[in-house]
Amino acid sequence: EPEVTQTPSHQVTQMGQEVILRCVPISNHLYFYWYRQILGQKVEFLVSFYNNEISEKSEIFDDQFSVERPDGSNFTLKIRSTKLEDSAMYFCASSPRFRPSGGNEQFFGPGTRLTVL
Amino acid sequence: GNSVTQMEGPVTLSEEAFLTINCTYTATGYPSLFWYVQYPGEGLQLLLKATKADDKGSNKGFEATYRKETTSFHLEKGSVQVSDSAVYFCALGGSQGNLIFGKGTKLSVKP
Repeated sequence: EPEVTQTPSHQVTQMGQEVILRCVPISNHLYFYWYRQILGQKVEFLVSFYNNEISEKSEIFDDQFSVERPDGSNFTLKIRSTKLEDSAMYFCASSPRFRPSGGNEQFFGPGTRLTVL
Repeated sequence: GNSVTQMEGPVTLSEEAFLTINCTYTATGYPSLFWYVQYPGEGLQLLLKATKADDKGSNKGFEATYRKETTSFHLEKGSVQVSDSAVYFCALGGSQGNLIFGKGTKLSVKP
């Protein structure tokens, strides 16, 4: 069964460093998402991506964040200059379709735990 | 704005006990509602969903009914197993195509 994969599973970095989190969505999916979960808090939407551009982004997704689909398979989240508060689990998701009513099922990866020291 | 509130965990049950995890939502319009499950070391998996009022989603013995009058989508299972131990997330479909999640409820089932 196809699945979303994410690498690395755990990333430790120093404050101020750049990190790139990688995701391989399911191959025939068209919509891609990043979410994050700070320990003990809710899973929060960061950004959605379709047709090689950002569709929507939350207020969390500021200028320090960027996303890219550099080739036909990878989907990356870059944090330019990490802060302590960026420490969280980051989940990638993909979906074959979009429904304005929000009924689309999203398939999630196992997550990358980012620790900023 | 849209939001989801689910009961705090952890929830600890004995095998074959009845499970209820409460979830209520605040939303404009009639969004789709979901339950996702996260087993240890794995990603979020869709457990069940309901797309309109009075719909009942069901899967693997779990059920949840979309109740517009009480703005609820409580998860139930008649007889839990040790293998059901996981974190359960209630979510609603946002107008941006994103999912809006609750905090998650950790379930531990003891033999």
